[in-house]
Amino acid sequence: EVQLVESGGGLVRPGGSLRLSCAGSGFAFRSYGMHWVRQAPGKGLEWVSSISSTGTYIYYADSLKGRFTISRDNAQSSLYLQVDSLRDEDTAIYYCARAQWEPSAFDVWGQGTMVTV
Amino acid sequence: SSELTQDPAVSVALGQTVRLICQGDTLKSYYASWFQQKPGQAPVLVMYGYNNRPSGIPDRFSGSRSGDTASLTITGAQAEDEADYYCNSRDRDSGGNLVIFGGGTKLTVL
Repeated sequence: EVQLVESGGGLVRPGGSLRLSCAGSGFAFRSYGMHWVRQAPGKGLEWVSSISSTGTYIYYADSLKGRFTISRDNAQSSLYLQVDSLRDEDTAIYYCARAQWEPSAFDVWGQGTMVTV
Repeated sequence: SSELTQDPAVSVALGQTVRLICQGDTLKSYYASWFQQKPGQAPVLVMYGYNNRPSGIPDRFSGSRSGDTASLTITGAQAEDEADYYCNSRDRDSGGNLVIFGGGTKLTVL
């Protein structure tokens, strides 16, 4: 079964840091671009960051650049998001997602991990 | 950066046809993808590219694009189609490197 499972969320004070993880299974993780998307309580989806299959190309939403760092370990089939200098407005469910067919076609999503600042 | 605009709420009678709209200049250059999200669940991809449905998505869902507008049409809406629908696309202002989401449409099936 193709699956993504996030972990690492929790309650953190403003200014604090967290490292979110996303474990992929059931597919060739190293072959896919991966993304983080977040959703604040009662709000819409917000794209956070992407990383290419080899990790060569990394992009961030303009509003988040400098505080968030995406990375991946293809040997471990894992995706990461380091989130620093957390603010109240970073409170959200953080989803990892796989892109297939098109760069913005996220065909597999994890269940999400909640970050509360 | 670019923006994608969606109607906040739309309703449709059971069995009728509804068209959800996503509008933005970036859609003149890139296709939209569409996601369905039910309460407490992760989003699900229902449409991508010009009119492509992932495996398992019913054929009552169809997509199209004209100019700066992408549409998701549900022909014969079912009760289980009641959900939030989001479009996304690549951001033309970033050379297609970033991704943007629309604000979402809450679809009610009456």
